[in-house]
Amino acid sequence: GEDVEQSLFLSVREGDSSVINCTYTDSSSTYLYWYKQEPGAGLQLLTYIFSNMDMKQDQRLTVLLNKKDKHLSLRIADTQTGDSAIYFCAERFSNDYKLSFGAGTTVTVRA
Amino acid sequence: KAGVTQTPRYLIKTRGQQVTLSCSPISGHRSVSWYQQTPGQGLQFLFEYFSETQRNKGNFPGRFSGRQFSNSRSEMNVSTLELGDSALYLCASSSQSDRAWQNTEAFFGQGTRLTVV
Repeated sequence: GEDVEQSLFLSVREGDSSVINCTYTDSSSTYLYWYKQEPGAGLQLLTYIFSNMDMKQDQRLTVLLNKKDKHLSLRIADTQTGDSAIYFCAERFSNDYKLSFGAGTTVTVRA
Repeated sequence: KAGVTQTPRYLIKTRGQQVTLSCSPISGHRSVSWYQQTPGQGLQFLFEYFSETQRNKGNFPGRFSGRQFSNSRSEMNVSTLELGDSALYLCASSSQSDRAWQNTEAFFGQGTRLTVV
């Protein structure tokens, strides 16, 4: 996972937007994923994007991709206390079957 | 549709012992991957199986092995356990075919928490 980098912590006020950032290694042919992990649980797939896309929106989630800078972000609108969790960015090369994860960003939502 | 099921949820083993973890994928999924999650190393890929064949393997010692059965259920085995093997072991299933370029979403189980004492 050392090739995918994320900031480790984010604190956000309830109702505000959260933005979680990630940098990845390859921009040519890559799938990029966001997973959420709550305490004591496995990983929940939130959304994914292919590296030839710029943006994807799914309800409160918006994924933005900057291919030039190899930068991926996940925006959560109207952040709720239930959004407190660890968020992992992951990439998968299109000629491979494994996911490479970042270290995870711990998001804390404060009232 | 049932999700990915991992058993057991928790295990405590002694150094030197061996352990077998089980994963039942989502019905119809033929690809099963295993990951190790530790505070120090994060999520690391162990191996991936498709139709009973190991297609990819991570950088783990030979003490870590796995297999997949004809019903797609998978097991992983760790022999001669070390303290550093204490981790959350996660299994993921996907409907991947033999074409890696096709996107498929990987769905994870709750994991097996292994503690080696």
